[in-house]
Amino acid sequence: KQEVTQIPAALSVPEGENLVLNCSFTDSAIYNLQWFRQDPGKGLTSLLLIQSSQREQTSGRLNASLDKSSGRSTLYIAASQPGDSATYLCAVLDGQNFVFGPGTRLSVLP
Amino acid sequence: KAGVTQTPRYLIKTRGQQVTLSCSPISGHRSVSWYQQTPGQGLQFLFEYFSETQRNKGNFPGRFSGRQFSNSRSEMNVSTLELGDSALYLCASSVAPANTEAFFGQGTRLTVV
Repeated sequence: KQEVTQIPAALSVPEGENLVLNCSFTDSAIYNLQWFRQDPGKGLTSLLLIQSSQREQTSGRLNASLDKSSGRSTLYIAASQPGDSATYLCAVLDGQNFVFGPGTRLSVLP
Repeated sequence: KAGVTQTPRYLIKTRGQQVTLSCSPISGHRSVSWYQQTPGQGLQFLFEYFSETQRNKGNFPGRFSGRQFSNSRSEMNVSTLELGDSALYLCASSVAPANTEAFFGQGTRLTVV
């Protein structure tokens, strides 16, 4: 059974810092991995999708990498801003459905 | 282009009642999945529909059911509501079931009293 974990559970940084969020999964047989952000009480906003054959994806200040063999993905956020404050979730699609991690709650302080 | 639309946004129901939630996917998307989000369990998969057929079902009791219409709109129904059913219910749409990006709606917040 696929299990997804995320480290750290919470993170508080001053504005302008570069930061890394980690995601680990137990079964490497995945179709893709997707990173989402969720603002309190809201739905999920897709940030980046990495197909199983890809190693990384970039969008603006965000860069996500995928190492299927080790069951890891990282989300790198450059020059963080207060507007980046949210919960970040990674999810792996293992052919059946998305399995989500518990999320990392990020606070960027002005 | 319009995103995923979920209605209603908020619901308050009494134990024992039933409820129906609606999800309209992005135009052209034929796959719809439903998830339940609670503080204790996080996001858990309920079921997935593609071309009006249920492809997968998560580990939820039979009180949770769903369907998909020919226009790809989907509904989920929960019968005999329990307090523990209080959650944010999220719907995701994608072009196809696997290997494509999923887009989520804003969710329906269900409170059972």
